[in-house]
Formats: sequence, C-alpha cells, structure tokens
Amino acid sequence: KQEVTQIPAALSVPEGENLVLNCSFTDSAIYNLQWFRQDPGKGLTSLLLIQSSQREQTSGRLNASLDKSSGRSTLYIAASQPGDSATYLCAVKGDRGSTLGRLYFGRGTQLTVWP
Amino acid sequence: GAVVSQHPSRVICKSGTSVKIECRSLDFQATTMFWYRQFPKQSLMLMATSNEGSKATYEQGVEKDKFLINHASLTLSTLTVTSAHPEDSSFYICSAARGAATDTQYFGPGTRLTVL
Repeated sequence: KQEVTQIPAALSVPEGENLVLNCSFTDSAIYNLQWFRQDPGKGLTSLLLIQSSQREQTSGRLNASLDKSSGRSTLYIAASQPGDSATYLCAVKGDRGSTLGRLYFGRGTQLTVWP
Repeated sequence: GAVVSQHPSRVICKSGTSVKIECRSLDFQATTMFWYRQFPKQSLMLMATSNEGSKATYEQGVEKDKFLINHASLTLSTLTVTSAHPEDSSFYICSAARGAATDTQYFGPGTRLTVL
C-alpha cells in the first residue's frame, strides 16, 4: 500500500529564508505528484503538479523536484514570506490497478514564517 | 475554471441526527467525485469514490450505511452522515474530476462537522 511521508512535520523560520520541504513515497508506480497548500480550516490549493515523466516544475518562488525511482520529492520555497505560512501537503496519484487515479496524501509540513 | 463548492462550510449538530453535505462542480461536469475526511494534523483519507449515476465505491473501513453518498448529476454529489456521533466530528473535503480516473481532481473548500 502506498505510504507518503513528509518531513519535517513543522518548520518555523524568519522571513527571507530559503526552505526545503521533503516528501517520500513507498511505491514508485505513480501517475503524478502534486504539492498543495492548506490554510487553517480551508480546502486545498494546488501549487505544483509533476507528471511521472518530469523531473521538476517551477512556479514563481516555488520549485518542486521529483525522483520517481527513489520515491522522493522536494518543494523548494525561495525567499520565504509571512504569507507563505500554511500547511503544505504532498500527494501522489496511483497509476495502475486498484490504485489508478487515487490520491495518497502525506500528513503535511506546517510552515510558519515570522517577520 | 474548475471551481468546486461545498455547503455548508460549518455545521454543528446533536448526536443522533443526520447531516447532509453538498459538493458541486460550478463550471464543469464531474464524472467522478471523491469524499475525504481529515482529522487535526492528519492527512486526508479517502472515504469513497462516486461516479454519476452509479453506486459509490467505499474504502475499507468506511461504513456505507453511515456515510451515504449520492451522485445524482454531473455537478452534484452529497454525503449524508447518518446518526452522527461525536467521533464523526471532522473536516470533510470533496473533490471532482471531469472524466478518467487519472484526471486532475479539483478540491472543494471543506465542511467542518462538529457533533455535540
């Protein structure tokens, strides 16, 4: 069964720092990997989606990489800002059999950026 | 495009009552809708997958008689928590996909259920 782990569980940094959030998954048979942001009591906002054939995606200050064979992804946030404070979730989508199309989520990294 | 809404955003109910949560795709037709629940500081757990016009597929350990799912149209799915108890208190989130199982899921804003 696919298991997704995110490290660290929480992170508190001063404004301006560059950050790396980590995600690992146990089954490399994935269709894609997605990073989401979740604000307290809110739904999910998709940040970046990496197809299984891709190595990375970038959007503004965010860069996500994917190493499918080793089961790892990182989300890099450059020049962090207080508005980046949220929980960041990693999810992988299965690509075969009973896992096809299913999203498996990690528990998230709770990020606090203080001014 | 690809906006998903949920109603209500918050609901408080007494133990033993039933609560209905609606999930709507506002600007697209959703062949497949998904229901998740999320406990504090936990990951989203898939409860069930519903396809328009057919019965929902429930994940192992999810009671289908307690969590009734109806996907009556291509823009609406409902989750009814029957005879709710305090342990059902959670954050419920739906998502919707246009077609194939691998299509992108678009998430709703979630519903906070509190059972007293």
